[in-house]
Amino acid sequence: GENVEQHPSTLSVQEGDSAVIKCTYSDSASNYFPWYKQELGKGPQLIIDIRSNVGEKKDQRIAVTLNKTAKHFSLHITETQPEDSAVYFCAAVTANTGNQFYFGTGTSLTVIP
Amino acid sequence: EAQVTQNPRYLITVTGKKLTVTCSQNMNHEYMSWYRQDPGLGLRQIYYSMNVEVTDKGDVPEGYKVSRKEKRNFPLILESPSPNQTSLYFCASSFGFPGHTEAFFGQGTRLTVV
Repeated sequence: GENVEQHPSTLSVQEGDSAVIKCTYSDSASNYFPWYKQELGKGPQLIIDIRSNVGEKKDQRIAVTLNKTAKHFSLHITETQPEDSAVYFCAAVTANTGNQFYFGTGTSLTVIP
Repeated sequence: EAQVTQNPRYLITVTGKKLTVTCSQNMNHEYMSWYRQDPGLGLRQIYYSMNVEVTDKGDVPEGYKVSRKEKRNFPLILESPSPNQTSLYFCASSFGFPGHTEAFFGQGTRLTVV
């Protein structure tokens, strides 16, 4: 099945700086790549996603890039704010194995005021 | 308000005592699934359901059962819980398969089996 690796596992940045989280995937048939934000005591919530026919997508301070050749995708958060502190998960969906999510292991982001 | 509701939020039980974690969604979603979240492993799918009376195994189904008798409900059943099932559990739902539409997650159920 699909294998998704995520780095780093923890990340601390100063408020206002940028944060980058990277994921790699193994199945070239994966075609959908969402990013989820999980705040303490809550379930994961979709913040941005990208499909395999697009190289980059941006939504205000958040952007995702996809490199299909290298099989990696990244989350970029600019002008970080304390409320960005959370655990972020990347995921990949492949039609090869029943269209299920394969999640990365998560990145705990701390934004220091 | 559109939501996925899990109950209970916290549960401590003893080995072998059957338990059920309920999941209900109010968005008329066809696809529902259960995940467990363990440190260093991310979220792993336990079971999923494409519609009423249609369920299938995910990556880690051993020790779990599910049922889908109504579209809105998708309970997770542990017939004989063991300590290795201590975990954080999430239910999720979407209109279609993951990747076709956005998936919504419940707030989680923290289960401890002693």
